[in-house]
Amino acid sequence: DQQVKQNSPSLSVQEGRISILNCDYTNSMFDYFLWYKKYPAEGPTFLISISSIKDKNEDGRFTVFLNKSAKHLSLHIVPSQPGDSAVYFCAASKSAAGNKLTFGGGTRVLVKP
Amino acid sequence: KAGVTQTPRYLIKTRGQQVTLSCSPISGHRSVSWYQQTPGQGLQFLFEYFSETQRNKGNFPGRFSGRQFSNSRSEMNVSTLELGDSALYLCASSVVLEGANVLTFGAGSRLTVL
Repeated sequence: DQQVKQNSPSLSVQEGRISILNCDYTNSMFDYFLWYKKYPAEGPTFLISISSIKDKNEDGRFTVFLNKSAKHLSLHIVPSQPGDSAVYFCAASKSAAGNKLTFGGGTRVLVKP
Repeated sequence: KAGVTQTPRYLIKTRGQQVTLSCSPISGHRSVSWYQQTPGQGLQFLFEYFSETQRNKGNFPGRFSGRQFSNSRSEMNVSTLELGDSALYLCASSVVLEGANVLTFGAGSRLTVL
């Protein structure tokens, strides 16, 4: 039972353009969402998060959008840079203070120079 | 500030053996969580420890266990290893700031079971 899904296993984008990563969830108890980035041979690194009381959160080049009614969130990276090439995971939690994250399967992003 | 340290980074075991993995959290972080990453199942929550007590547990068999010491360092153990236990085991430490909990992950311990 995959409660968090990232339906696109990979994404290729030109440097300078926008990268849009999508994530869907099924459990309406989730109320805190996060995005992590992972390089090979490293652990996931926190990127940005959003609480269910918001529909948008920005941090520099990264913006996360949340559509609660559709149980959908997306991560926008603008502009994309070659260093952004990595695997991106969305994750959900039932509480902002909780440690039990449910992860999506990941989307591999390749930013071409 | 040192990050989350996991040892060993790589190890190979055979079926039926047992393995112990170690995790040193970021100084001051009292919560340690463990996750398993496999190609087929993705990242899955194993368990969480806080102040030497297991606070939460995922859906893994009893062969998977863990503990936390008074200095917040944590170990996880897998007994009677199976081929399917081959995975990257990730440890994360965290502290709640302004009501939000952000996990900082270590680089992981890659276990291969032959």
